[in-house]
Amino acid sequence: DVKVTQSSRYLVKRTGEKVFLECVQDMDHENMFWYRQDPGLGLRLIYFSYDVKMKEKGDIPEGYSVSREKKERFSLILESASTNQTSMYLCASSPLDLQETQYFGPGTRLLVL
Amino acid sequence: TQLLEQSPQFLSIQEGENLTVYCNSSSVFSSLQWYRQEPGEGPVLLVTVVTGGEVKKLKRLTFQFGDARKDSSLHITAAQPGDTGLYLCAGDSSGAGSYQLTFGKGTKLSVIP
Repeated sequence: DVKVTQSSRYLVKRTGEKVFLECVQDMDHENMFWYRQDPGLGLRLIYFSYDVKMKEKGDIPEGYSVSREKKERFSLILESASTNQTSMYLCASSPLDLQETQYFGPGTRLLVL
Repeated sequence: TQLLEQSPQFLSIQEGENLTVYCNSSSVFSSLQWYRQEPGEGPVLLVTVVTGGEVKKLKRLTFQFGDARKDSSLHITAAQPGDTGLYLCAGDSSGAGSYQLTFGKGTKLSVIP
């Protein structure tokens, strides 16, 4: 079974703090994704990566950066957290030969005060 | 931007009833996925449909891909409380080999015992 894990299930941070969200997948998938999910807005793609050290902006990259130093790990960084970044953050991965099939982690619910 | 419209947005039914939820677009998709997401968890992949007119069954769940590959439906027979959750459809609209999926906003299903 594909396993995607996220470092925290719940996080509470203060405005202006730097926040790191970590995601690890154990299936040697090439592609990894970060989404945020908000009521009424659905899932929105923040960044994705199709290879180590490669990254592409999604639909809403502003205020975020990412890092992919190893194939299995994809980190999302909030350089200076703001209250409008309070959300559910979901990481996903997909293999090169079945790119339309994404496997999700359990999510991190982030509250920025 | 390719859009996937899901309907209804909310659905509350009694245990044992049948239901259908829909996923529609004006765009053609090379494949379409259905996910179920339980509260506080990440989406879990249920099925991928690829061929126009394709029907797939997963126990009491029946998935159909429209002939023109622009729409899909999910039918649940004799709904159970365990079917409660957010049902998301997602499509690959930019051709085979695309990394990115377009997600609908979901149908929130409540099955009352």
